[in-house]
Amino acid sequence: DGGITQSPKYLFRKEGQNVTLSCEQNLNHDAMYWYRQDPGQGLRLIYYSQIVNDFQKGDIAEGYSVSREKKESFPLTVTSAQKNPTAFYLCASSFRAGGPDTQYFGPGTRLTVL
Amino acid sequence: KNEVEQSPQNLTAQEGEFITINCSYSVGISALHWLQQHPGGGIVSLFMLSSGKKKHGRLIATINIQEKHSSLHITASHPRDSAVYICAPETSGSRLTFGEGTQLTVNP
Repeated sequence: DGGITQSPKYLFRKEGQNVTLSCEQNLNHDAMYWYRQDPGQGLRLIYYSQIVNDFQKGDIAEGYSVSREKKESFPLTVTSAQKNPTAFYLCASSFRAGGPDTQYFGPGTRLTVL
Repeated sequence: KNEVEQSPQNLTAQEGEFITINCSYSVGISALHWLQQHPGGGIVSLFMLSSGKKKHGRLIATINIQEKHSSLHITASHPRDSAVYICAPETSGSRLTFGEGTQLTVNP
């Protein structure tokens, strides 16, 4: 089945540890996105990538890093520099970049930092 | 002032009622998306529109570009429609700005 997967669904980490969230898609989409959702707030863009080996900061990139070495994969690392990392993280992809297109979302990873 | 305002924030309806959720935005857009988020957190795209009106089953989305306003309508609402509905204008470069969402509860 074609789709976008994120793992794990729930993730617990100790404060000060880096953690990497996985996002994989087999939809042959060029563009991929990472969003963060906090209770009572709209989704906010962390990073996005329009093509392999290229990515841009979104609105809240501080304390996060990404890579896009393969078209199918766009992992997000939450570093110890992120002051409030506990949140729900959603990955999305779209077929093309630079123009209006439907975004397809993964199921999300709920990160809790203890 | 937020760039995207949705109303109402919460909506409770009886099964069968006609439902309207409104979205006003202040940014220039290339398209506007309506999304549905279920209690488990998963998000599904319902509509992407840049003008006029689109219909899919019992759902209808309209947009007025000049007034910077969009509406999502649900006809003959059903308890399975209970979810959070999110308006997300798309600006240049495929970037979405998200509203805070409207929590819809449809009671049987």
